Amino acid sequence: AQKITQTQPGMFVQEKEAVTLDCTYDTSDPSYGLFWYKQPSSGEMIFLIYQGSYDQQNATEGRYSLNFQKARKSANLVISASQLGDSAMYFCAMRVDNYGQNFVFGPGTRLSVLP
Amino acid sequence: NAGVTQTPKFQVLKTGQSMTLQCAQDMNHNSMYWYRQDPGMGLRLIYYSASEGTTDKGEVPNGYNVSRLNKREFSLRLESAAPSQTSVYFCASGRDRATYEQYFGPGTRLTVT
Repeated sequence: AQKITQTQPGMFVQEKEAVTLDCTYDTSDPSYGLFWYKQPSSGEMIFLIYQGSYDQQNATEGRYSLNFQKARKSANLVISASQLGDSAMYFCAMRVDNYGQNFVFGPGTRLSVLP
Repeated sequence: NAGVTQTPKFQVLKTGQSMTLQCAQDMNHNSMYWYRQDPGMGLRLIYYSASEGTTDKGEVPNGYNVSRLNKREFSLRLESAAPSQTSVYFCASGRDRATYEQYFGPGTRLTVT
Protein backbone atom coordinates (compact mmCIF):
# COMPACT_ATOMS: atom_id res chain seq x y z
CA ALA A 1 0.00 0.00 0.00
CA GLN A 2 1.09 3.53 -0.65
CA LYS A 3 1.41 5.87 2.32
CA ILE A 4 2.65 9.38 3.10
CA THR A 5 3.69 10.43 6.60
CA GLN A 6 4.12 14.00 7.79
CA THR A 7 5.12 13.93 11.44
CA GLN A 8 5.02 17.69 12.13
CA PRO A 9 1.43 18.84 12.71
CA GLY A 10 2.63 22.43 13.18
CA MET A 11 5.82 24.40 12.64
CA PHE A 12 6.89 27.94 13.44
CA VAL A 13 9.59 29.87 11.64
CA GLN A 14 10.87 33.42 11.88
CA GLU A 15 10.43 35.58 8.82
CA LYS A 16 13.44 35.42 6.46
CA GLU A 17 14.71 32.15 7.93
CA ALA A 18 14.69 28.78 6.19
CA VAL A 19 12.40 25.93 7.25
CA THR A 20 12.23 22.22 6.44
CA LEU A 21 8.93 20.34 6.35
CA ASP A 22 9.31 16.59 6.66
CA CYS A 23 7.72 13.96 4.46
CA THR A 24 8.36 10.22 4.31
CA TYR A 25 6.68 7.86 1.91
CA ASP A 26 6.15 4.17 1.48
CA THR A 27 5.84 2.36 -1.82
CA SER A 28 7.36 -0.73 -3.36
CA ASP A 29 6.87 0.56 -6.88
CA PRO A 30 10.05 1.89 -8.55
CA SER A 31 8.27 4.57 -10.60
CA TYR A 32 6.52 7.33 -8.70
CA GLY A 33 6.22 11.08 -8.33
CA LEU A 34 6.34 13.17 -5.19
CA PHE A 35 4.53 16.50 -4.92
CA TRP A 36 4.12 19.31 -2.46
CA TYR A 37 1.00 21.46 -2.29
CA LYS A 38 0.28 24.61 -0.30
CA GLN A 39 -3.17 25.36 1.09
CA PRO A 40 -3.55 28.92 2.42
CA SER A 41 -6.43 29.88 4.69
CA SER A 42 -8.49 30.74 1.61
CA GLY A 43 -8.66 27.01 0.92
CA GLU A 44 -7.33 26.50 -2.58
CA MET A 45 -4.66 23.88 -3.29
CA ILE A 46 -1.55 25.31 -4.93
CA PHE A 47 1.04 23.06 -6.55
CA LEU A 48 4.59 23.92 -5.45
CA ILE A 49 7.12 21.36 -6.60
CA TYR A 50 7.56 17.90 -8.08
CA GLN A 51 10.25 15.19 -7.80
CA GLY A 52 10.33 12.05 -9.89
CA SER A 53 11.68 8.81 -8.50
CA TYR A 54 14.28 8.58 -11.27
CA ASP A 55 15.40 12.19 -11.05
CA GLN A 56 19.06 12.43 -10.08
CA GLN A 57 18.93 16.03 -8.94
CA ASN A 58 16.80 17.56 -6.22
CA ALA A 59 13.97 19.67 -7.58
CA THR A 60 13.99 23.43 -7.07
CA GLU A 61 11.37 26.08 -7.82
CA GLY A 62 12.30 29.55 -6.69
CA ARG A 63 12.43 29.56 -2.88
CA TYR A 64 11.23 25.95 -2.72
CA SER A 65 13.51 22.96 -2.94
CA LEU A 66 12.88 19.30 -2.35
CA ASN A 67 15.46 17.32 -0.38
CA PHE A 68 14.98 13.87 -1.93
CA GLN A 69 16.66 10.97 -0.15
CA LYS A 70 15.50 7.88 -1.99
CA ALA A 71 17.15 5.30 0.26
CA ARG A 72 15.46 6.85 3.29
CA LYS A 73 12.19 7.34 1.36
CA SER A 74 12.03 10.96 2.37
CA ALA A 75 11.06 14.03 0.36
CA ASN A 76 11.40 17.04 2.62
CA LEU A 77 10.35 20.51 1.46
CA VAL A 78 12.78 23.33 2.17
CA ILE A 79 11.49 26.90 2.04
CA SER A 80 14.25 29.48 2.05
CA ALA A 81 13.85 33.08 3.24
CA SER A 82 10.35 32.54 4.68
CA GLN A 83 7.74 35.21 4.09
CA LEU A 84 4.56 35.98 6.01
CA GLY A 85 2.59 34.77 2.99
CA ASP A 86 4.10 31.31 3.41
CA SER A 87 1.87 30.71 6.44
CA ALA A 88 -0.39 27.86 5.30
CA MET A 89 -0.97 24.12 5.39
CA TYR A 90 1.52 22.10 3.37
CA PHE A 91 0.70 18.68 1.97
CA CYS A 92 3.08 16.07 0.66
CA ALA A 93 1.60 13.71 -1.94
CA MET A 94 2.69 10.73 -3.98
CA ARG A 95 1.48 9.22 -7.21
CA VAL A 96 2.57 5.80 -8.39
CA ASP A 97 2.57 4.98 -12.09
CA ASN A 98 1.29 1.46 -11.66
CA TYR A 99 -1.25 2.18 -8.95
CA GLY A 100 -4.15 3.26 -11.04
CA GLN A 101 -4.35 7.00 -11.16
CA ASN A 102 -4.33 7.60 -7.45
CA PHE A 103 -2.67 10.35 -5.54
CA VAL A 104 -2.04 9.70 -1.85
CA PHE A 105 -1.78 12.70 0.46
CA GLY A 106 -0.21 13.11 3.87
CA PRO A 107 -2.09 14.74 6.78
CA GLY A 108 -0.31 18.05 6.29
CA THR A 109 1.87 20.43 8.30
CA ARG A 110 0.63 23.86 9.36
CA LEU A 111 3.42 26.40 8.95
CA SER A 112 3.23 29.72 10.76
CA VAL A 113 5.73 32.44 9.83
CA LEU A 114 6.39 34.89 12.63
CA PRO A 115 7.25 38.57 11.97
CA ASN B 1 -8.78 29.05 -19.30
CA ALA B 2 -10.90 28.60 -16.16
CA GLY B 3 -8.99 25.47 -15.05
CA VAL B 4 -11.14 23.35 -12.72
CA THR B 5 -14.49 24.77 -11.66
CA GLN B 6 -16.85 23.46 -8.99
CA THR B 7 -20.39 24.31 -8.06
CA PRO B 8 -21.73 25.11 -5.58
CA LYS B 9 -19.18 26.76 -3.28
CA PHE B 10 -21.26 26.23 -0.16
CA GLN B 11 -24.20 23.95 0.65
CA VAL B 12 -26.20 23.05 3.72
CA LEU B 13 -28.26 19.87 3.63
CA LYS B 14 -30.54 18.13 6.07
CA THR B 15 -29.89 14.49 6.89
CA GLY B 16 -31.39 12.29 4.19
CA GLN B 17 -31.42 14.92 1.44
CA SER B 18 -29.61 14.34 -1.82
CA MET B 19 -27.46 16.59 -3.94
CA THR B 20 -24.97 16.57 -6.79
CA LEU B 21 -21.66 18.41 -6.80
CA GLN B 22 -20.59 19.50 -10.25
CA CYS B 23 -17.05 19.70 -11.57
CA ALA B 24 -15.70 20.70 -14.97
CA GLN B 25 -12.22 21.17 -16.41
CA ASP B 26 -11.10 22.83 -19.62
CA MET B 27 -7.54 21.48 -19.78
CA ASN B 28 -8.36 18.36 -21.84
CA HIS B 29 -7.25 16.07 -19.02
CA ASN B 30 -8.19 12.41 -19.10
CA SER B 31 -8.08 11.90 -15.32
CA MET B 32 -10.46 13.47 -12.83
CA TYR B 33 -10.81 12.98 -9.08
CA TRP B 34 -13.05 13.71 -6.12
CA TYR B 35 -11.54 14.18 -2.66
CA ARG B 36 -12.88 15.08 0.71
CA GLN B 37 -10.89 17.04 3.26
CA ASP B 38 -11.63 16.72 6.96
CA PRO B 39 -9.68 18.55 9.68
CA GLY B 40 -6.43 16.76 10.49
CA MET B 41 -7.01 14.09 7.84
CA GLY B 42 -5.50 15.63 4.74
CA LEU B 43 -7.27 14.75 1.50
CA ARG B 44 -8.86 11.38 0.96
CA LEU B 45 -9.83 10.08 -2.45
CA ILE B 46 -13.51 9.26 -2.91
CA TYR B 47 -13.65 8.29 -6.59
CA TYR B 48 -11.59 8.87 -9.67
CA SER B 49 -12.02 8.54 -13.39
CA ALA B 50 -9.05 7.64 -15.57
CA SER B 51 -10.93 8.40 -18.77
CA GLU B 52 -14.37 9.20 -20.10
CA GLY B 53 -16.74 6.35 -19.33
CA THR B 54 -14.67 4.81 -16.51
CA THR B 55 -14.82 5.35 -12.77
CA ASP B 56 -13.12 3.63 -9.86
CA LYS B 57 -13.47 3.70 -6.10
CA GLY B 58 -10.92 5.44 -3.97
CA GLU B 59 -10.28 5.20 -0.25
CA VAL B 60 -13.69 6.39 1.01
CA PRO B 61 -16.42 5.70 -1.60
CA ASN B 62 -19.29 4.67 0.69
CA GLY B 63 -22.29 6.97 0.48
CA TYR B 64 -21.24 8.51 -2.84
CA ASN B 65 -21.80 7.91 -6.54
CA VAL B 66 -20.08 9.55 -9.48
CA SER B 67 -20.71 10.14 -13.15
CA ARG B 68 -18.14 10.97 -15.80
CA LEU B 69 -20.53 12.71 -18.14
CA ASN B 70 -17.92 13.49 -20.78
CA LYS B 71 -14.24 14.34 -20.84
CA ARG B 72 -14.84 17.73 -19.22
CA GLU B 73 -17.32 16.90 -16.45
CA PHE B 74 -17.22 14.67 -13.39
CA SER B 75 -20.05 14.87 -10.86
CA LEU B 76 -20.35 13.56 -7.31
CA ARG B 77 -23.73 12.58 -5.90
CA LEU B 78 -24.79 12.12 -2.31
CA GLU B 79 -27.99 10.06 -2.40
CA SER B 80 -28.89 10.35 1.30
CA ALA B 81 -26.67 12.82 3.11
CA ALA B 82 -25.39 12.03 6.60
CA PRO B 83 -23.68 14.32 9.15
CA SER B 84 -20.49 12.28 8.65
CA GLN B 85 -20.37 13.66 5.11
CA THR B 86 -19.87 17.20 6.40
CA SER B 87 -16.58 18.12 4.76
CA VAL B 88 -14.86 20.18 2.11
CA TYR B 89 -15.00 18.49 -1.29
CA PHE B 90 -12.34 19.07 -3.92
CA CYS B 91 -12.44 18.08 -7.54
CA ALA B 92 -9.15 17.74 -9.40
CA SER B 93 -7.92 16.83 -12.85
CA GLY B 94 -4.59 15.81 -14.29
CA ARG B 95 -2.67 14.10 -17.04
CA ASP B 96 -2.06 10.41 -17.03
CA ARG B 97 1.45 9.82 -15.81
CA ALA B 98 2.96 10.01 -12.34
CA THR B 99 5.15 12.89 -13.46
CA TYR B 100 2.24 15.31 -13.68
CA GLU B 101 0.63 17.27 -10.89
CA GLN B 102 -3.09 17.56 -10.24
CA TYR B 103 -5.00 20.78 -10.66
CA PHE B 104 -7.63 21.47 -8.04
CA GLY B 105 -10.93 23.27 -8.06
CA PRO B 106 -11.76 25.82 -5.35
CA GLY B 107 -13.70 23.33 -3.21
CA THR B 108 -17.27 22.94 -1.97
CA ARG B 109 -17.96 23.35 1.74
CA LEU B 110 -20.81 20.98 2.62
CA THR B 111 -22.58 20.90 5.97
CA VAL B 112 -25.11 18.18 6.77
CA THR B 113 -27.32 18.89 9.79
